[in-house]
Amino acid sequence: DTGVSQNPRHKITKRGQNVTFRCDPISEHNRLYWYRQTLGQGPEFLTYFQNEAQLEKSRLLSDRFSAERPKGSFSTLEIQRTEQGDSAMYLCASSLVETQYFGPGTRLLVL
Amino acid sequence: GESVGLHLPTLSVQEGDNSIINCAYSNSASDYFIWYKQESGKGPQFIIDIRSNMDKRQGQRVTVLLNKTVKHLSLQIAATQPGDSAVYFCAEKYGGSQGNLIFGKGTKLSVKP
Repeated sequence: DTGVSQNPRHKITKRGQNVTFRCDPISEHNRLYWYRQTLGQGPEFLTYFQNEAQLEKSRLLSDRFSAERPKGSFSTLEIQRTEQGDSAMYLCASSLVETQYFGPGTRLLVL
Repeated sequence: GESVGLHLPTLSVQEGDNSIINCAYSNSASDYFIWYKQESGKGPQFIIDIRSNMDKRQGQRVTVLLNKTVKHLSLQIAATQPGDSAVYFCAEKYGGSQGNLIFGKGTKLSVKP
């Protein structure tokens, strides 16, 4: 499968714990995006990388959230001190130019 | 608030009929628009996109129409099939942004066999 992959697919954690998600983009894509989607809503942009540089961050990305793309390939999204309001689907997308291709998402449930 | 929205939250069509899903946007500076299909529990799947210098683009069984005068976008699906049942999202990219998409809330399409 040469599409965008995300791991884990599901994560259940207790409030206050830290979680980390991984995204592997389509291999030749230099742009990578993170979005968050809650039930019944469209995805909301969180952050954007071009190669290893984080070029744009949404105001939704609080200080508890951090994203990295150290070698310009895979990316990680970490949430520290999780809160129940962080429960959502976290989507990763990648692109070569404008068309963004999404992965299957990581569904996070914070208890 | 969101600048991209949808006129109808749900749409039910008969198999074989054509479907039209509408979307309004409010930012005249948006220069790129895209439609996604999302099935339950899956990530959004790219359908078709269009730049603001075009008013129509066709794909396989799908057509996107862009009316910049009234800031309206539509997705037409020909000969709708049960496999087309999903939630459809339109999204826009502001001309000055790096690439983040602004999504609407989605329209649920149900195809009756």
